[in-house]
Amino acid sequence: DAGITQSPRHKVTETGTPVTLRCHQTENHRYMYWYRQDPGHGLRLIHYSYGVKDTDKGEVSDGYSVSRSKTEDFLLTLESATSSQTSVYFCAIGRDTRGETQYFGPGTRLLVL
Amino acid sequence: SQQGEEDPQALSIQEGENATMNCSYKTSINNLQWYRQNSGRGLVHLILIRSNEREKHSGRLRVTLDTSKKSSSLLITASRAADTASYFCATDAPTDTGRRALTFGSGTRLQVQP
Repeated sequence: DAGITQSPRHKVTETGTPVTLRCHQTENHRYMYWYRQDPGHGLRLIHYSYGVKDTDKGEVSDGYSVSRSKTEDFLLTLESATSSQTSVYFCAIGRDTRGETQYFGPGTRLLVL
Repeated sequence: SQQGEEDPQALSIQEGENATMNCSYKTSINNLQWYRQNSGRGLVHLILIRSNEREKHSGRLRVTLDTSKKSSSLLITASRAADTASYFCATDAPTDTGRRALTFGSGTRLQVQP
């Protein structure tokens, strides 16, 4: 998985609790992305980062925030988890912004009860 | 909204047969990529074709791109049971903020029967 780790790999939480997912890379790639994957929807972009402290919203950003204080770490926070945020979350990295190849982490399965 | 839509949603073939998956998209793109996902795993990049290219090969993979029809196809020749996976197309196009990001389709589930 190209030097990308995600933690935790599985999480069960209750509605209304905050949740933070971590993506860590050892490739020194500038660009990092968070996606969610749900049946029938493929992957949808939540937030992305073009560098340290440079983030932008994706297609489904409501209810999520991100932070990137170091090149290697990109954090995704669900401020107050809802059942609709039950999903598989994937982090991806890329060397540049020109739509080149992205490399994906193993994913985090999140269940919100 | 999804940029890419794959067709068919599911495909079942016998080992040794060819598998063809199609992707249609809506807006102008810079490139189109195909990814593979094994069950329970992350996506793995297979091949990238740029908007000025019409066909590209990589091993048993052949990708075509028709920008006039806004469509692409992925052909896997001489399929193997190990090719069983979901296949996604992804298009590179500007986002609402003007920055570029990949937009993925909902995928084709390929089952190759031994």
